[in-house]
Amino acid sequence: EIVMTQSPATLSVSPGERATLSCRASQSVTSNLAWYQQKPGQAPRLLIYGASTRATGIPARFSGSGSGTEFTLTISSLQSEDFAVYYCQQYNYWLTFGGGTKVEVK
Amino acid sequence: QLQLQESGPGLVKPSETLSLTCTVSDDSISSNIYYWGWIRQPPEKGLEWIGSIYYSGSTYYNPSLKSRVTISVDTSKNQFSLKLSSVTAADTAVYYCARGVPFSSLDYFDYWGQGTLVTVSS
Repeated sequence: EIVMTQSPATLSVSPGERATLSCRASQSVTSNLAWYQQKPGQAPRLLIYGASTRATGIPARFSGSGSGTEFTLTISSLQSEDFAVYYCQQYNYWLTFGGGTKVEVK
Repeated sequence: QLQLQESGPGLVKPSETLSLTCTVSDDSISSNIYYWGWIRQPPEKGLEWIGSIYYSGSTYYNPSLKSRVTISVDTSKNQFSLKLSSVTAADTAVYYCARGVPFSSLDYFDYWGQGTLVTVSS
């Protein structure tokens, strides 16, 4: 099983600031990585696939980068609606999710 | 726009079988592009993929759950279903169905149902 480790567990950021979330794989997943956003009581929402391709309708302030074992999700200027939990998911070998990063208001 | 809706009992007794159905609207489950998957989330915890199915009936399961999981598809009803046997309290979770998009290797999930809470308790 490929273990996905996200850091930090909680990120405190002020509105308008930049947020950088990390996801590390226990072995290479090439670029087979997706990012999701989940708000309380809601299903996850796809943000990024292929490590860096934004899904349909996702604002340009969300960007993904990385390959192999190290990945980053960057939110360039946090809006009020961006405070949520973010998960990474690898789909290179079976499917596994990271433990999540909660982005909260500082 | 594609919609997925989970249905099934919200309470299951320990050692029994959990059964859920996902109904797909505004898209054909028989599309030869997509997989259809189940993912769960225990209360206040992260996401765990359970398994996925292609319209033809081809399946692949999370190795950690494989011995207890069966996913099937009914193309005439545009539905796919999950059965999880011998449940315990550890299987208490919100269960989501989702559409899997094969990309490069396996799938990411672009559309999700709203989720349904299943509690395992006597």
